[in-house]
Amino acid sequence: GQQVMQIPQYQHVQEGEDFTTYCNSSTTLSNIQWYKQRPGGHPVFLIQLVKSGEVKKQKRLTFQFGEAKKNSSLHITATQTTDVGTYFCAGRGLGSSNTGKLIFGQGTTLQVKP
Amino acid sequence: SAVISQKPSRDICQRGTSLTIQCQVDSQVTMMFWYRQQPGQSLTLIATANQGSEATYESGFVIDKFPISRPNLTFSTLTVSNMSPEDSSIYLCSARDFMNTEAFFGQGTRLTVV
Repeated sequence: GQQVMQIPQYQHVQEGEDFTTYCNSSTTLSNIQWYKQRPGGHPVFLIQLVKSGEVKKQKRLTFQFGEAKKNSSLHITATQTTDVGTYFCAGRGLGSSNTGKLIFGQGTTLQVKP
Repeated sequence: SAVISQKPSRDICQRGTSLTIQCQVDSQVTMMFWYRQQPGQSLTLIATANQGSEATYESGFVIDKFPISRPNLTFSTLTVSNMSPEDSSIYLCSARDFMNTEAFFGQGTRLTVV
């Protein structure tokens, strides 16, 4: 079945440093979403990427979708302590757009040292 | 957007018993899902709750262990049956409206089986 791999599992950075997490799918995706989960919280939607090679920005966050629609990345510039949490990518396989089923990556937990 | 109320928020249960988790969405949604998340781990999809018909289970999950109901477009329940300590986890309800792209999550139910 479809698998979504995400690396690294953990990342500790000094405040102000950059951070990147990578997501790879075993199959071509119709789209990919990114979620953030704060400690003790539930996943909260950040963004969706649909087009091959798409790049979207939200303030210090940059999201990319690979040309083959099998990989994606999230890059945070100049991290802040408010960025702490676990970042998940979640993919919808081709043909599953109407079912809405999301397969989540393992997540990358970001710790930011002030 | 949709607001999801999930209860109970946590419970400690004896092995061999069953627990039913309720999920109420504040608006009609097309799709509802149940996930399991071990602390610090990713989200594993248990099943898609289908309105008016049997749920669609993912590999490794069966109806006898995790019966699911969805009597209407705003409500679903997940029962964890004949619990064992291995069922200790966080269970999350999720909903997606066909016209929107993001998935919304309930606050989760933290289950401990002793």
